Amino acid sequence: SAVISQKPSRDICQRGTSLTIQCQVDSQVTMMFWYRQQPGQSLTLIATANQGSEATYESGFVIDKFPISRPNLTFSTLTVSNMSPEDSSIYLCSLAGGFSDTQYFGPGTRLTVL
Amino acid sequence: RKEVEQDPGPFNVPEGATVAFNCTYSNSASQSFFWYRQDCRKEPKLLMSVYSSGNEDGRFTAQLNRASQYISLLIRDSKLSDSATYLCAVKGSGNTPLVFGKGTRLSVIA
Repeated sequence: SAVISQKPSRDICQRGTSLTIQCQVDSQVTMMFWYRQQPGQSLTLIATANQGSEATYESGFVIDKFPISRPNLTFSTLTVSNMSPEDSSIYLCSLAGGFSDTQYFGPGTRLTVL
Repeated sequence: RKEVEQDPGPFNVPEGATVAFNCTYSNSASQSFFWYRQDCRKEPKLLMSVYSSGNEDGRFTAQLNRASQYISLLIRDSKLSDSATYLCAVKGSGNTPLVFGKGTRLSVIA
């Protein structure tokens, strides 16, 4: 499986600020996704990161709050904008593609908003 | 109704016990099914795919019942190292993303 890295691994941020999370993959993949996992909850899909075009957002998530870029097949960013304490969560990038329909996850970014 | 539902847990079992996790999904068009394991403060990692014929990997057995829209995971001879949260995941056809259940926490006790 591909090696996935995320930066930062964790951060503590002030309310009203924004944080950009990076996801880097060591090989070209077809699909990249961004998930959120709030404390004690399961993974919720935020959006599908589309290469060279706007991301596809799930219900309840909007581009103004979670802008996503995917300039190429190995890199994507998720920005959490105008943060509030409710945004405190683990944010995970995930990828799929090739011959398997399995998805793999990056190590996650643990965000705490004060 | 949630798309993927799991036993709420937590399950606290002694070493050596057999434990079963259940999962139901609502979308009959779902094509692929998985069990993931998530350790505390870590990302989910694929444990095994689930096939209609059932599949076994050592102490782990997964089964799928499409008619009942039901997936199960059986762990035999539980080890302390099996303590984790087990997540059921389902996806549709093509490049659709996984949808996860809430997960069931397992604690294996010495």
